[in-house]
Amino acid sequence: QVHLVESGGGLVKPGGSLRLSCVASGLTFSDSYMAWVRQPPGKGLEWVSDIGRGSRYTNYAASVKGRFTISRDDANNSLFLQMNSLRADDTAVYYCATGDGYLLQWGQGTLVTVSS
Amino acid sequence: DMVMTQSPDSLAVSLGERATINCKSGHSVLYSSDNKNYLSWYQQKPGQPPKLLINWASTRESGVPDRFSGSGSGTDFTLTISNLQAEDVAVYYCQQHYATPCTFGQGTKLEIK
Repeated sequence: QVHLVESGGGLVKPGGSLRLSCVASGLTFSDSYMAWVRQPPGKGLEWVSDIGRGSRYTNYAASVKGRFTISRDDANNSLFLQMNSLRADDTAVYYCATGDGYLLQWGQGTLVTVSS
Repeated sequence: DMVMTQSPDSLAVSLGERATINCKSGHSVLYSSDNKNYLSWYQQKPGQPPKLLINWASTRESGVPDRFSGSGSGTDFTLTISNLQAEDVAVYYCQQHYATPCTFGQGTKLEIK
């Protein structure tokens, strides 16, 4: 059974940085496509970024490009999202997910709040 | 970015009746080389992460009740929930994974009438 556990969320001031982590189990992580999806409070889903096997490719939503960086550590079954220059509209629950473009397995999410 | 537009934004259906949710993509999500529509449907209940219901526009995921069905091709898709049950109350999202960035519809909130 696949488990994805996110961590690293919290309260940060505008312009600040946070690094989210996602630890995976129950899958061959190194062979897995991984993604981050966020959901602002009371709103819909927004795909943020994804990364292919072996970090062959990375993609970003226009809203985060140049500010967020996705990476992975296959040795430790971990996915990361480095978030810089945070803005109030980055406030959301951030989900780690896996699949293959479609998202079959999701974590429970970690809340990021950007506020002064 | 490819825009995904769902309709309606919300609907209320009686128990045992049928609910129909539509999703329209800005461009075709039918990939000619494999003849697959890169379109998925998700269900999200309050306080939970989304759950993948249907992939490739019409393939139900394992364990999803057969009252959930997906149809459509190209740019127009439909999620149908037959014999609506109380546990089907949720927000439903379509998503295209044909083009990068992947994009979701705005969601459709389903309630019991």
